Amino acid sequence: GAVVSQHPSWVICKSGTSVKIECRSLDFQATTMFWYRQFPKQSLMLMATSNEGSKATYEQGVEKDKFLINHASLTLSTLTVTSAHPEDSSFYICSARDAEREARAAFFGPGTRLTVL
Amino acid sequence: GQNIDQPTEMTATEGAIVQINCTYQTSGFNGLFWYQQHAGEAPTFLSYNVLDGLEEKGRFSSFLSRSKGYSYLLLKELQMKDSASYLCAVKDSNYQLIWGAGTKLIIKP
Repeated sequence: GAVVSQHPSWVICKSGTSVKIECRSLDFQATTMFWYRQFPKQSLMLMATSNEGSKATYEQGVEKDKFLINHASLTLSTLTVTSAHPEDSSFYICSARDAEREARAAFFGPGTRLTVL
Repeated sequence: GQNIDQPTEMTATEGAIVQINCTYQTSGFNGLFWYQQHAGEAPTFLSYNVLDGLEEKGRFSSFLSRSKGYSYLLLKELQMKDSASYLCAVKDSNYQLIWGAGTKLIIKP
């Protein structure tokens, strides 16, 4: 149980285009989902926290107009990278919190590797 | 501020034992987590400690001392597949996860 899926697993796009990444909790309801970015050989960096039905909370330095987050249901959150540029190339990982199993704070999706040409 | 410290890199021999330490200073404490992350993959959950003491799970054990702000992850009978980064994370008073930078563990034959 407690599976989180992420789609797509990798994407290559041209500079200036927008990319949408989906994060789904498959067998539990996730009232809170987290979006992370990880550059090569660096640790996870929290970008934003999204709560179902409300606006996401962005970490300092993360542009909310560039990284649009929608958490429309208890099982789905989406991250849209708008007008992507090469410096946005990174590994994007979502995690979902299972409120009923608080001990396991976060289950991670497999990640999406974004390459912007 | 909030801070989690763990060694950047460690090297160990296949079949041996290695201990990865983690010290933390956070605003409140609601549990400490260890995750394993292989290169190019997302982290996977290893262990959770909220009370002092040792939690054993197969080859992996995790220890917590809240009074010292200290935890360690113990890996026994090391296998080559254990080569990965190990991330320590603490849930603070707001139930937010604060992440350490991770310890890269290199296993040599």
